Amino acid sequence: DIQMTQSPSSLSASVGDRVTITCRASQGISNSLAWYQQKPGKVPELLIYAASTLQSGVPSRFSGSGSGTDFTLTISSLQPEDVATYYCQKYNSAPWTFGQGTKVEIK
Amino acid sequence: QVQLVESGGGVVLPGGSLRISCAASGFTFSSYAMHWVRQTPGKGLEWVAFVRYNGDNYHADSVKGRFIISRDNSKNTLYLQMNNLRPEDTAVYFCAKLCNGGSCYIDFWGQGTLVTVSS
Repeated sequence: DIQMTQSPSSLSASVGDRVTITCRASQGISNSLAWYQQKPGKVPELLIYAASTLQSGVPSRFSGSGSGTDFTLTISSLQPEDVATYYCQKYNSAPWTFGQGTKVEIK
Repeated sequence: QVQLVESGGGVVLPGGSLRISCAASGFTFSSYAMHWVRQTPGKGLEWVAFVRYNGDNYHADSVKGRFIISRDNSKNTLYLQMNNLRPEDTAVYFCAKLCNGGSCYIDFWGQGTLVTVSS
């Protein structure tokens, strides 16, 4: 099975900082990667699909890139409402594995 | 608007069984594949099971042989039958709708139902 590894597991940054989260697949998955945001106490929400396509309604400060095995989620200017845990997930085939999550906090 | 409402969670003894449900509305349920995803309190997301519109299904190795995903398109309802439950199955179980396509991501999540396996 393909493993999904996120890094870092947590980070603390200041408002306005650029934040980058990486997700690495143990084998190539083309661009079949989604990113989800889960705010504290809330249900996960879709941010990005097909590695780089922004879901409707998601602020443009979020972006995704990558293909094959290496992917990144970038927040261009961190805002207080972005405090959350972010997960990547592969969806090319079973099993639909998630990364372990990256917790983003404000410094 | 899309709604997914899970029900049936609760406390169950180790070795016991439980069936949880997810009532779908606001979209043509019979046309979409669905997942069950779980989250242990304070931990990450774990994919549990997948079912296509026609009933074809897959299960994670951690639940294979114990859990069965199914759907009743006439009732717009998704199910997860959980047998031989273990303490490590304790989690919030989310049902999730996939987008429309061959290989698809989750585009909507339910609110979840808590299953606690404890003596």
